Amino acid sequence: QKEVEQDPGPLSVPEGAIVSLNCTYSNSAFQYFMWYRQYSRKGPELLMYTYSSGNKEDGRFTAQVDKSSKYISLFIRDSQPSDSATYLCAMSAGGKLIFGQGTELSVKP
Amino acid sequence: DVKVTQSSRYLVKRTGEKVFLECVQDMDHENMFWYRQDPGLGLRLIYFSYDVKMKEKGDIPEGYSVSREKKERFSLILESASTNQTSMYLCASSEPGQGGSGNTIYFGEGSWLTVV
Repeated sequence: QKEVEQDPGPLSVPEGAIVSLNCTYSNSAFQYFMWYRQYSRKGPELLMYTYSSGNKEDGRFTAQVDKSSKYISLFIRDSQPSDSATYLCAMSAGGKLIFGQGTELSVKP
Repeated sequence: DVKVTQSSRYLVKRTGEKVFLECVQDMDHENMFWYRQDPGLGLRLIYFSYDVKMKEKGDIPEGYSVSREKKERFSLILESASTNQTSMYLCASSEPGQGGSGNTIYFGEGSWLTVV
């Protein structure tokens, strides 16, 4: 079993939809949680960072961490075609960063 | 703005060739990393370095070596390229904590290597 599981998609939604991206993990020691966005043929860039449990909001993006269920989510409100990218979750216990496979998202105009 | 620069974006090499992938960061970060990214396998850590002349094996070091002679530069070396090393290679850097402890990993644009 992988330490971090992420549905690779692809996920296709119409413009304006609410998007939910998710990762599950098995290591209860993880306490740092990140979401990276990767456009085609580019390197990943940090989108959201959360420490421990709870929610964090940044504009149209909300990151949620549920440590009891070992489940993290990224919500995108009012999705735009420019949000089309691969989204990778990443997490650590303070040491090595473990990445999910990435979910490919396509937002259609 | 943090910048991690990978000098070669697209390379085509022959089987058995020695390949150098160069990476430079301008943020004076202690940590530098090399990952490869493959469809269905995600990001896999090849090597990392937490100081000049220091290196640590990641999850898939076989067939690779690295060099860090200066703090800002981290090179990935394929001693004898093979077709199964065709991939996208990503260099990254961070402050101490390897991306945990609130320290962000910054990635370069990637180097697409094809071995024929």
